[in-house]
Amino acid sequence: DAGVIQSPRHEVTEMGQEVTLRCKPISGHNSLFWYRQTMMRGLELLIYFNNNVPIDDSGMPEDRFSAKMPNASFSTLKIQPSEPRDSAVYFCASSLASDQPQHFGDGTRLSIL
Amino acid sequence: SQQGEEDPQALSIQEGENATMNCSYKTSINNLQWYRQNSGRGLVHLILIRSNEREKHSGRLRVTLDTSKKSSSLLITASRAADTASYFCATDRLDDKIIFGKGTRLHILP
Repeated sequence: DAGVIQSPRHEVTEMGQEVTLRCKPISGHNSLFWYRQTMMRGLELLIYFNNNVPIDDSGMPEDRFSAKMPNASFSTLKIQPSEPRDSAVYFCASSLASDQPQHFGDGTRLSIL
Repeated sequence: SQQGEEDPQALSIQEGENATMNCSYKTSINNLQWYRQNSGRGLVHLILIRSNEREKHSGRLRVTLDTSKKSSSLLITASRAADTASYFCATDRLDDKIIFGKGTRLHILP
């Protein structure tokens, strides 16, 4: 199995631009999670989906952030407009169920200038 | 608010020694998980212990759970250079939300 695949691995863009992060979960996994990791705040859960339906988006910082899961094999996290404080590593993870071990991708390192 | 808090924040030990990391949490849980993160990579699941279990082993890893004290410990025996990483506990709360701590940075000295 290829594991969770995230793209791009690195993204550098100017503030105000739209940023789209992509994730392909492990086939057969029903839960998908988006996290943000920074030195200051650690690993924060942004949103998670069960069977493509958003269950808890209380961690989404503000309306500039949105996430979609149009089908079981693809999810996006979008930031529009981006700001320097959004700079972080963003991880996607998937699991068989929300209380089962999660499999993480290698993340997208996002830098907003 | 942070659910799991790892202690210590950083730990350096000699290769071959045992490493112990602790995790404390605040609310009742369904299970507790430990993960490892190598630099520049995603987290890797190590072990899951359920609330009705007290101890679990996996290779050189030993995890204990004390629900009365709301704490868990991860013991790595006979440490190796490859064990250098950050270690996180994640608590699966009764409201079905998994919360990660800020991790313990473990450095194994040659």
